[in-house]
Amino acid sequence: RKEVEQDPGPFNVPEGATVAFNCTYSNSASQSFFWYRQDCRKEPKLLMSVYSSGNEDGRFTAQLNRASQYISLLIRDSKLSDSATYLCVVNIYGGSQGNLIFGKGTKLSVKP
Amino acid sequence: GAGVSQSPRYKVAKRGQDVALRCDPISGHVSLFWYQQALGQGPEFLTYFQNEAQLDKSGLPSDRFFAERPEGSVSTLKIQRTQQEDSAVYLCASSFSPGMSGELFFGEGSRLTVL
Repeated sequence: RKEVEQDPGPFNVPEGATVAFNCTYSNSASQSFFWYRQDCRKEPKLLMSVYSSGNEDGRFTAQLNRASQYISLLIRDSKLSDSATYLCVVNIYGGSQGNLIFGKGTKLSVKP
Repeated sequence: GAGVSQSPRYKVAKRGQDVALRCDPISGHVSLFWYQQALGQGPEFLTYFQNEAQLDKSGLPSDRFFAERPEGSVSTLKIQRTQQEDSAVYLCASSFSPGMSGELFFGEGSRLTVL
């Protein structure tokens, strides 16, 4: 089982739709969680960190469920510019330091 | 610019050639990471530096891969005797904080194609 798993999609949604992505992680000792966004042929950029209490940034809401070992990202009122790949990222402390594990990403395509 | 700079942006190598990829992190960033991203995949961890110390190289796929950051700033990823399976985008990222307590800033990557 991969350490971080995501549904690769693609998710094809109309503008204005609400869409949610889930991500599961296997290491219960995972400490930090993030969502990164990657546009086609571009580098990943931090979208938001995920806090235990859940957090919101405009149209984006991130949730963490430690008991079930998954994190989610909800995008409300989708815009064309939201089209990208969303990478779930987990920081696993343990034998190595600074080891961020990336999921394969979920591709989102927002259509007019 | 003020971001992470990588060179070359594109590299085509014949199988068996050695290549060197350079990363200029954001000034003052302590942590530096190298990732490998194959087409349609997420970035895969290769190695991590804190200043000049290579604290984790567990992700390097073989002894043909070597990375250094001798003065705690610029880093070079070297691949010896390249193979076709080495074809990927190599991403460098830096962070102000030690370890992974802070945001990672990525460069645009070096796209390596091995023929």
